[in-house]
Parts: sequence; C-alpha cells; structure tokens
Amino acid sequence: DAGITQSPRHKVTETGTPVTLRCHQTENHRYMYWYRQDPGHGLRLIHYSYGVKDTDKGEVSDGYSVSRSKTEDFLLTLESATSSQTSVYFCAISDIQSSGSYEQYFGPGTRLTVT
Amino acid sequence: SQKIEQNSEALNIQEGKTATLTCNYTNYSPAYLQWYRQDPGRGPVFLLLIRENEKEKRKERLKVTFDTTLKQSLFHITASQPADSATYLCALPNNAGNMLTFGGGTRLMVKP
Repeated sequence: DAGITQSPRHKVTETGTPVTLRCHQTENHRYMYWYRQDPGHGLRLIHYSYGVKDTDKGEVSDGYSVSRSKTEDFLLTLESATSSQTSVYFCAISDIQSSGSYEQYFGPGTRLTVT
Repeated sequence: SQKIEQNSEALNIQEGKTATLTCNYTNYSPAYLQWYRQDPGRGPVFLLLIRENEKEKRKERLKVTFDTTLKQSLFHITASQPADSATYLCALPNNAGNMLTFGGGTRLMVKP
C-alpha cells in the first residue's frame, strides 16, 4: 500500500463520542486526502491537505475536521459521531509526477461503525 | 455540475473473454483520466492514466481508450482471468490536477 498506514483498522463507537482516525505515510508526498466510501455513493472526498497546516474541505466535510502537523501524518476527527458517519474511510497520498500528473495511492482503510 | 458515470451493474464474463467497462462524464474537460482497481476490503490501486491527446493506451492485457468528443473512456481487459475480478473505478482530475473525482465503479466478475 505504497507506505501508507491507517489506524485503527476497525472501530465501533457510540453516537456522540469523538473519534480520530490516523493516516501515516512514509513517501514524503505533499498531498494527503481523506475519503469515505459508501454503497451507492462511491468514494467521496472529505478533506485534503496540500502541506503541513494547509488543509481544505472536500465534497462531504460537514461533521469532520482534519489536522496535519507533520508531513507524514494526517488526522481525521469526528467531533461527535453520528450513525450517518458509519462508513469505510480511506486515506490517500499524492504528489506531482514527472509527467505533470497526480496519481493517488491509498491506504488499507478504516471501517467505522457508529451505534 | 461535474458528473462521472459507470455502469453500477456487475459485469459477468467467462474466462478468456474480453471485458469492456465504460466511463462517461459530463461538464469536464479533463487533461487526463485515470483507472483504478479495488479489491474487496482494500483501497483502490492505480492502474493506468490516459491523456486527452492519447486515443489509446496499453499495459499488458489492459487497454484504455479516451474519446474527448464523446466524453467517454473504455477500459478493456483481454484474455480475462478470475484474478481480474474486482471493482474498477475511473477518476478525473480537477483543473489543477491535485484532486480527483471518482466514478461509482463497476464490479467485474470473471467466471472460470
């Protein structure tokens, strides 16, 4: 998985509790992304980062926050988890290739269940 | 708004046949298009990139075409094998290229 790890891999939590998912890369890529994947919706971008302390919102950012204090780590926080946030979360990394394009490399995913 | 469509129904084919998957898009003028493979329980894996000025690209048993007039890409797997069974996603970049929007994916099942 291109030097990307996610933790935890599985988590069950209760509605209203805070949850933090961690993505760690060893590739020194500038861009990092958090997606969620749900049946019928495919992969949707939550937040992304283009450098340390530089982040921006994606398509489905409500209810989520992120932080990137180091190049290698990108954290996704659900401040107060809701059942609608039950999903599989993927982290991805990217950087510009010599061809001028960006290819994304994904982590193994975190399965989150909010009860 | 930008939209990417892939056939949400699974494609079932016999081993040895050619599988053809379709990716259609609207309201995009992408500089390139990417295809990814996703196995159950795992993250997507990058397969191929084709640029707007390339009509066709090949990699081993994979062939991708890109028709910017029809706004369509076709993804072919020749001499398909059961190991090719997976979900295949197409993705288009934003203008800066640093973000991707993914199609919903098409699940391919190759039967022995």
